[in-house]
Amino acid sequence: QKEVEQNSGPLSVPEGAIASLNCTYSDRGSQSFFWYRQYSGKSPELIMFIYSNGDKEDGRFTAQLNKASQYVSLLIRDSQPSDSATYLCAVNSGSNYKLTFGKGTLLTVNP
Amino acid sequence: DVKVTQSSRYLVKRTGEKVFLECVQDMDHENMFWYRQDPGLGLRLIYFSYDVKMKEKGDIPEGYSVSREKKERFSLILESASTNQTSMYLCASRLSGLAYEQYFGPGTRLTVT
Repeated sequence: QKEVEQNSGPLSVPEGAIASLNCTYSDRGSQSFFWYRQYSGKSPELIMFIYSNGDKEDGRFTAQLNKASQYVSLLIRDSQPSDSATYLCAVNSGSNYKLTFGKGTLLTVNP
Repeated sequence: DVKVTQSSRYLVKRTGEKVFLECVQDMDHENMFWYRQDPGLGLRLIYFSYDVKMKEKGDIPEGYSVSREKKERFSLILESASTNQTSMYLCASRLSGLAYEQYFGPGTRLTVT
């Protein structure tokens, strides 16, 4: 079964620090990768997606993909208390239809 | 903006009742999904549909059925609700293809007593 693994956390960082969230996946044929943020009691919303090896930056967020090592990460620079949420990694493992989700990492940013 | 709506935010039902959860999307997406989310277990796929009247079982289909009679609407049915089906239910939709994100509805918090 295709798997997506994330540390469940909680990951706790001080305000202004860099938060680093990691995700590994089992299917070497995976081609597209997504990071979702989910606030408590709310539904997941997309933050970033990445398809190519390397880094992709969007404001304070950077997604990093290394297909050879089968991991994808999300860096949050200048973390804010409003970034406190669960972050879900999702992978498209060659299916045209659906994504496979990790269980998520709970991030807490302390003021 | 893509919009996925669910019929109820909160629902309380009794054991043995038949429960219908409705989901509607307005962006002509081929694929629609039903998940449940429980603490520590993450998102678990119940069923998905890749076309009208087409459906496939996800990871935990037992105790559930689905219906997709129109492209924009996907229903989840609990034939005889049980207390272990108390959960947050999330509907989602996406276009077919490798590069497309998945959009989620706001969720239905179902409590079965």
